[in-house]
Amino acid sequence: GAVVSQHPSWVICKSGTSVKIECRSLDFQATTMFWYRQFPKQSLMLMATSNEGSKATYEQGVEKDKFLINHASLTLSTLTVTSAHPEDSSFYICSARGEGLAGVSGTTQYFGPGTRLTVL
Amino acid sequence: RKEVEQDPGPFNVPEGATVAFNCTYSNSASQSFFWYRQDCRKEPKLLMSVYSSGNEDGRFTAQLNRASQYISLLIRDSKLSDSATYLCVVSLYKLSFGAGTTVTVRA
Repeated sequence: GAVVSQHPSWVICKSGTSVKIECRSLDFQATTMFWYRQFPKQSLMLMATSNEGSKATYEQGVEKDKFLINHASLTLSTLTVTSAHPEDSSFYICSARGEGLAGVSGTTQYFGPGTRLTVL
Repeated sequence: RKEVEQDPGPFNVPEGATVAFNCTYSNSASQSFFWYRQDCRKEPKLLMSVYSSGNEDGRFTAQLNRASQYISLLIRDSKLSDSATYLCVVSLYKLSFGAGTTVTVRA
């Protein structure tokens, strides 16, 4: 139980294009989803927090117009990196917190497998 | 100052050895503490929560010292499969991750 999936698992794109990453909670309702970014040998950095049906809350220094987050349903959140540049190349990880499955804690975050983005 | 600081290591230990490492955190108001494990190019996975009284899960023992604001993890009888990066995580309103301590267990 408490499975979170991400798609795609890796993507390579040209500079200037936009990339959409999906995060799904497969067997529970994710009332809150979190998007993190991790550069090599660095810690996971929280980018934004999104609650279903409302606008995402972005961390300081994260451009909301560049990293568009949509949490349209209780099982799906998307992160779109608009006009990607090489410095956006990173490991993007989502996590979900919610309810609806026996044993799923309302406070525990369940992490997706991550998406490795490379911008050429 | 970083919210969570860890010795990056690497700690290279033989199978069967005991290895221990700490992390420090800056926000004294932090309420929850965890150790996560992250394998190369994978997502972090919760290893164990850390409680004020200290707690043990099999070969893993975690300690919390609120006064000094540090958390420790001890791994006994190391296995090859314990090779990973261990992330110290503290939480108040959100999870704050350390950059990780790399442990390599050799045969």
